[in-house]
Amino acid sequence: DIQMAQSPSSLSASVGDRVTITCRASQSISTYLNWFQQKPGKAPNLLIYAASSLQSGVPSRFSGSGSGTDFTLTISSLQPEDAAIYYCQQSNSSPPTFGQGTKVEIK
Amino acid sequence: QVQLQESGPGVVKPSETLSLTCTVSGGSISSHYWSWIRQPAGRKGLEWIGRIYISGATNYNPSLKGRVTMSRDASKNQFSLKLRSVTAADTAIYYCGRDDCSGGGCYPDSWGQGTLVTVSS
Repeated sequence: DIQMAQSPSSLSASVGDRVTITCRASQSISTYLNWFQQKPGKAPNLLIYAASSLQSGVPSRFSGSGSGTDFTLTISSLQPEDAAIYYCQQSNSSPPTFGQGTKVEIK
Repeated sequence: QVQLQESGPGVVKPSETLSLTCTVSGGSISSHYWSWIRQPAGRKGLEWIGRIYISGATNYNPSLKGRVTMSRDASKNQFSLKLRSVTAADTAIYYCGRDDCSGGGCYPDSWGQGTLVTVSS
């Protein structure tokens, strides 16, 4: 299985800050990388697919980049409603695997 | 907009079979791929269980060691999960999801709200 490693595991930032979360794959996955946001008690929600494509309805402050093994999710201006756990997922090969999650808190 | 709803027993005894159903509304199950994903309750971490394709073919996570069966009932617009010989390690929130395979790989773009299944005697 392809292993996905996210960093940091948690972070605390202020409203308006630029936040970056990193995801590294154990082998090249081209751009088959997706990002999800999960709020407490809710199902995950797709934010970004194919490394950099914004899912319909997702605010434009979210963006993704990367290819191969290294990927980044950026929140350009953190908002209170962005407090959540963020997961990356590779869809290059079966079984699809997720990172361990990054918890984003608001200071 | 498609909506998914999981249903099934909230408690299953060890060594028995976990059975869940996902009911789809606002879309046909015959026109997409569908997945099951689980998350240990109260913890981070998501595990992909398997997928059922438009053809009815299936693909399962090898980590579940052949204990999984997925099926679908087009007449009811539902698909189902069976996980045999459960242990406490199978206690989790189980999500069903609709897969989008148009953007590169397949990924769930719609999810059910999830259902907690506890394995306990």
